[in-house]
Amino acid sequence: AQTVTQSQPEMSVQEAETVTLSCTYDTSESDYYLFWYKQPPSRQMILVIRQEAYKQQNATENRFSVNFQKAAKSFSLKISDSQLGDAAMYFCAYRNPIIQGAQKLVFGQGTRLTINP
Amino acid sequence: GAGVSQTPSNKVTEKGKYVELRCDPISGHTALYWYRQSLGQGPEFLIYFQGTGAADDSGLPNDRFFAVRPEGSVSTLKIQRTERGDSAVYLCASSLQGGPQHFGDGTRLSIL
Repeated sequence: AQTVTQSQPEMSVQEAETVTLSCTYDTSESDYYLFWYKQPPSRQMILVIRQEAYKQQNATENRFSVNFQKAAKSFSLKISDSQLGDAAMYFCAYRNPIIQGAQKLVFGQGTRLTINP
Repeated sequence: GAGVSQTPSNKVTEKGKYVELRCDPISGHTALYWYRQSLGQGPEFLIYFQGTGAADDSGLPNDRFFAVRPEGSVSTLKIQRTERGDSAVYLCASSLQGGPQHFGDGTRLSIL
């Protein structure tokens, strides 16, 4: 079974600085999807960024980018120019491709990100 | 709105009672998922519907939990004989086939 591990329960960063959140995963599959979700106190899980494992190029979305190391099974999230609105729980998640049938997301334990003004 | 809608937002009930949690997915999304999130944890998968049928119910913890999606749109998660350990936030998500999952705000269930 696939597992996702986030080893940083909490992180903090100064506003406008850069922070990196870590995620490792375990799978025997060669093709899969990885995601970062943000969960503010409102509880809604908001998709931040996703990466297809067959793509070597790291995904970027504005101030958010990933460092995908397939061999190391590592998928870290970098937030540049941190803003107060970035404060939230961040979850790393894994999903098999549709051809594998199972569409469920497997989540890590989460990292609470605090932005200091 | 156009997002995933979950009702009620909060539900408090007594141990042993029956509860129903509702999820209204994004229009046109054929896939629907239920997850359970305990305090301080990441969400855990419960069940996945493709259309009206449960394509994967491997995450349901026991036979007190049941979910339906009779018309391929709205889904109801049903919990019988609730226990204090069932207290959690229940999240629903929907997607197009193979697409990213979009989540609702969840239902916070508290069993007294």
